[in-house]
Amino acid sequence: GESVGLHLPTLSVQEGDNSIINCAYSNSASDYFIWYKQESGKGPQFIIDIRSNMDKRQGQRVTVLLNKTVKHLSLQIAATQPGDSAVYFCAENTSDYKLSFGAGTTVTVRA
Amino acid sequence: DAGVIQSPRHEVTEMGQEVTLRCKPISGHNSLFWYRQTMMRGLELLIYFNNNVPIDDSGMPEDRFSAKMPNASFSTLKIQPSEPRDSAVYFCASSGGQSSYEQYFGPGTRLTVT
Repeated sequence: GESVGLHLPTLSVQEGDNSIINCAYSNSASDYFIWYKQESGKGPQFIIDIRSNMDKRQGQRVTVLLNKTVKHLSLQIAATQPGDSAVYFCAENTSDYKLSFGAGTTVTVRA
Repeated sequence: DAGVIQSPRHEVTEMGQEVTLRCKPISGHNSLFWYRQTMMRGLELLIYFNNNVPIDDSGMPEDRFSAKMPNASFSTLKIQPSEPRDSAVYFCASSGGQSSYEQYFGPGTRLTVT
């Protein structure tokens, strides 16, 4: 499954499939980006980050891709599991350690 | 590590009452952030402290909102008087460890103003 930008805020994916969550950021001067996961009733939790001097970074089952040319960030989740159901936010560092958050994408994993 | 601690977890109050939300950041972190989250507006930064000093309060909605950080281990967000439109989940986050930009969020306080 795949979502595009902030205009499609929901993503439904079959368990075991790969998920791709997209995010368009606004500030070309941003030098740091984070993906957060927020489960129902909890605060956002850090998933993975990437600096602007990189275009790809991998974690455990997650990969973040950064395309500075078109100001686009994506989060790929491999072998999506029911526990991955949550709202996912991208955030960019704008200045002085401040993060600007996107609207979020709700991911629902179908069994 | 206990993480960021917020209290209360839930608050229900009547319009016009004063509400005080509390936050204990992660020990050693020197930046603290207060956010408000609603369905309509998403996650909004209200105010940001660095080394206990308010750096940017441009997100504070109006004079009814105030925040303090008397020391490195405690911050409050106060709403006086509260209004129904203040109903939201309020998060506190801190940063400043090895990864300075990464913000660690507390569990939030769900505020309902009737």
